[in-house]
Amino acid sequence: RKEVEQDPGPFNVPEGATVAFNCTYSNSASQSFFWYRQDCRKEPKLLMSVYSSGNEDGRFTAQLNRASQYISLLIRDSKLSDSATYLCVVNPWGDNNNDMRFGAGTRLTVKP
Amino acid sequence: DARVTQTPRHKVTEMGQEVTMRCQPILGHNTVFWYRQTMMQGLELLAYFRNRAPLDDSGMPKDRFSAEMPDATLATLKIQPSEPRDSAVYFCASGLAPRGPNEQFFGPGTRLTVL
Repeated sequence: RKEVEQDPGPFNVPEGATVAFNCTYSNSASQSFFWYRQDCRKEPKLLMSVYSSGNEDGRFTAQLNRASQYISLLIRDSKLSDSATYLCVVNPWGDNNNDMRFGAGTRLTVKP
Repeated sequence: DARVTQTPRHKVTEMGQEVTMRCQPILGHNTVFWYRQTMMQGLELLAYFRNRAPLDDSGMPKDRFSAEMPDATLATLKIQPSEPRDSAVYFCASGLAPRGPNEQFFGPGTRLTVL
């Protein structure tokens, strides 16, 4: 079983739609969680961290469910520029050692 | 604007040839990661250095791959001999642990094609 699993998609949605991505992780001791974004033929970049209480950054909302070992990302009012691959990322260690485990990504295409 | 740099950006080579990829981490970062990304496997961790010492290279095929950090400003990933199945995008990432932000900063990648 992979350490981090995501629905690969693709998700094709119209502009303005709300879309949600899910991710599960296998290591119950994992401490830090993130969403990275990767544009086509580019490198991954940090989108947002995921906090236990859930957190929001503009149109993006991240949620964590430790009991179910589950992370989600919700994008509201999607824009064409949101088209990208979204990578679920887990740091399985207790300290800030930067060691991350990346999911394979969920591809999103937002259409006019 | 501090960035991770990687060279070359593209490499086409023939099976059996040696390939060397280079990475310059962000100045002051003490952790360096090498990843390989393919459509089928996603982003796979190959090797990981902290303060130039290898901490984890369990994801790397040892018979043909080697990773080193000759100094704090240079990390190298070498494949010898290369095979068509090595065709992928190879990313280097750097970070600062434990005091920095819990984030990896990626370079633009080396797109490798082995014929």
